[in-house]
Formats: sequence, structure tokens, C-alpha cells
Amino acid sequence: AQSVTQLDSQVPVFEEAPVELRCNYSSSVSVYLFWYVQYPNQGLQLLLKYLSGSTLVKGINGFEAEFNKSQTSFHLRKPSVHISDTAEYFCAVVRLGGGNKLTFGTGTQLKVEL
Amino acid sequence: DTEVTQTPKHLVMGMTNKKSLKCEQHMGHRAMYWYKQKAKKPPELMFVYSYEKLSINESVPSRFSPECPNSSLLNLHLHALQPEDSALYLCASSQAGTVAYEQYFGPGTRLTVT
Repeated sequence: AQSVTQLDSQVPVFEEAPVELRCNYSSSVSVYLFWYVQYPNQGLQLLLKYLSGSTLVKGINGFEAEFNKSQTSFHLRKPSVHISDTAEYFCAVVRLGGGNKLTFGTGTQLKVEL
Repeated sequence: DTEVTQTPKHLVMGMTNKKSLKCEQHMGHRAMYWYKQKAKKPPELMFVYSYEKLSINESVPSRFSPECPNSSLLNLHLHALQPEDSALYLCASSQAGTVAYEQYFGPGTRLTVT
């Protein structure tokens, strides 16, 4: 079985500062990786995904993530955050051949302050 | 059109009521999902339909009854719920198959059981 760890439950950051949200996974087989964002009282929106190919993945809203197989990590980064980025961020994995059964991390609350 | 719609947005029901949640997508996806999300937690998978057939039931109590009338619609019938069933219920859809495809989420139905 696979698992996802998001060590930081909350990340406060000032507007225009860079941010990194950490995600580590554990799996005995290859996985696909996703980052989703959830704004208050809304559903989840896909930010970016890694299926194969280049390990640096660019997503929407200026976010990017880097897949590191040796460190089993998929950290999310943004060089300059905006107030509107305040939301809950979930990292998720699906094992290769596992269909579409997502395993979510516990989430990281990003709070952007002025 | 990458939208998944859910109705109603909010639902308050008593423990003896029968109600239904509805989900619709027009992206041609053949996999549809129900998730339950409690506050400050990641979504928990409840059911997966693939090609209109139930493929995954995550040991959900029988007071929750899913239905997939056609490839665009997904219902969740509720009966004799408990207060602990109060949560945000999210619907999602994706392409079907053993390869992992990103899931598109609806805005959710906020359910309160009194």
C-alpha cells in the first residue's frame, strides 16, 4: 500500500514571499503524484500532476513541483505568493496500475499574510 | 467543459429522512466517485463507478446507497443517517482505466444531519 506524508499542517507566509509545501510518499511500486488545492467551502482543484517525463512539473497559478524519486518527495513551490493563495493543499498519489484510487496526504493549510 | 456540478449545495436532514445528492458531468468521463470530507481532513473515498458499474465500495454503511443511472450522472441516496455523517460530500469524475488520470471535483454538498 502507498502512503503520503505532509509534515506541515500549517504554513504561514507573507505576501510576495516564496513558499514550499512538502510532500513525501511511500510505495513499493511506482506512483503518479498530484497536488490539489481546496479554497474555503469549495471542492478540490488540480494544481499539477506528475505521471512521467520531466521531473519538474509546472501547474496553474504559478505553482510548480519537483519529483525526486530517490528522496520519494514531490514538494510544491511558488516563488511569490499572493493573498488569494490562502487555501488547503493536498498531495495525493496513485500507484501504477492502481486505477484511480487516490491516497491523500493530511493537507497543509497555507496562510498568506500581508 | 471541465465542470462537475453537484446539487444541492447545502442539505439539512433529520435522522429519519430520505434524501439524495446528485452529481453531473459532461466531460465524457466513465469513472465517477463519491468522497466524504470532514472538517480539516482530506477526502475519504466512499464509492467508485467505472463504466456505470460499482467497482469500489470502501466498506460504507448501507445507509448510503450510490446509483449511476448513466455515464453523466451519479446519485447518492441517504437514509437513516447519523449526526456523525454530517460532512462535505464531494463528487469527482475522471477517465476510466488502470492508468491514473486526474480527477475533477465538484464543489460539494454540505450535509448536516440533525
